[in-house]
Amino acid sequence: NAGVTQTPKFRILKIGQSMTLQCAQDMNHNYMYWYRQDPGMGLKLIYYSVGAGITDKGEVPNGYNVSRSTTEDFPLRLELAAPSQTSVYFCASSYSGVGARGQPQHFGDGTRLSIL
Amino acid sequence: QKEVEQNSGPLSVPEGAIASLNCTYSDRGSQSFFWYRQYSGKSPELIMFIYSNGDKEDGRFTAQLNKASQYVSLLIRDSQPSDSATYLCAVNSKNRDDKIIFGKGTRLHILP
Repeated sequence: NAGVTQTPKFRILKIGQSMTLQCAQDMNHNYMYWYRQDPGMGLKLIYYSVGAGITDKGEVPNGYNVSRSTTEDFPLRLELAAPSQTSVYFCASSYSGVGARGQPQHFGDGTRLSIL
Repeated sequence: QKEVEQNSGPLSVPEGAIASLNCTYSDRGSQSFFWYRQYSGKSPELIMFIYSNGDKEDGRFTAQLNKASQYVSLLIRDSQPSDSATYLCAVNSKNRDDKIIFGKGTRLHILP
């Protein structure tokens, strides 16, 4: 019953450092998503993937990169961390898209990231 | 016009009463609608989804969809203190199979 697993749960970075947020799902879902959520705000889509080898930008992609080499994993890379990237990051997955009778997204527990 | 709008609240409801949460959306072609509950410091969890006009009931929760008026609502009957959370409305965009748009959420507080 693992579902969507995110690591680490918490991290503090210094300005200019880089890191990778890991996300893995064991539900054989094709679609995977990265969101960030700032305090009191909704979810903003960073990047998403509709299958292995396919990624696309969301609403706020600047400062981030992703890759999808396998169905299970969808890591998010932060290059040159900035204070504006302090946020909670959620990874989500769904079996298929969200068109007519779309499939709901299942979320991981999140990663709390602070850039100091 | 924002794509998915919700009143940020907080919405205070006495324990045992009905809590009514509303959401409006701008894309008339939207076809899939979701309600997520998010406790403070936790990740969103799916409560309900609805695709067709009308009501859909699941236990104490009822989702209502009116595509003509472009709104979707969530009713929580017999509200419990454990229902206190932020409720996020999410809607897909017409012709976009790959992602949904989230509202900012409504904070619900159930008064014991």
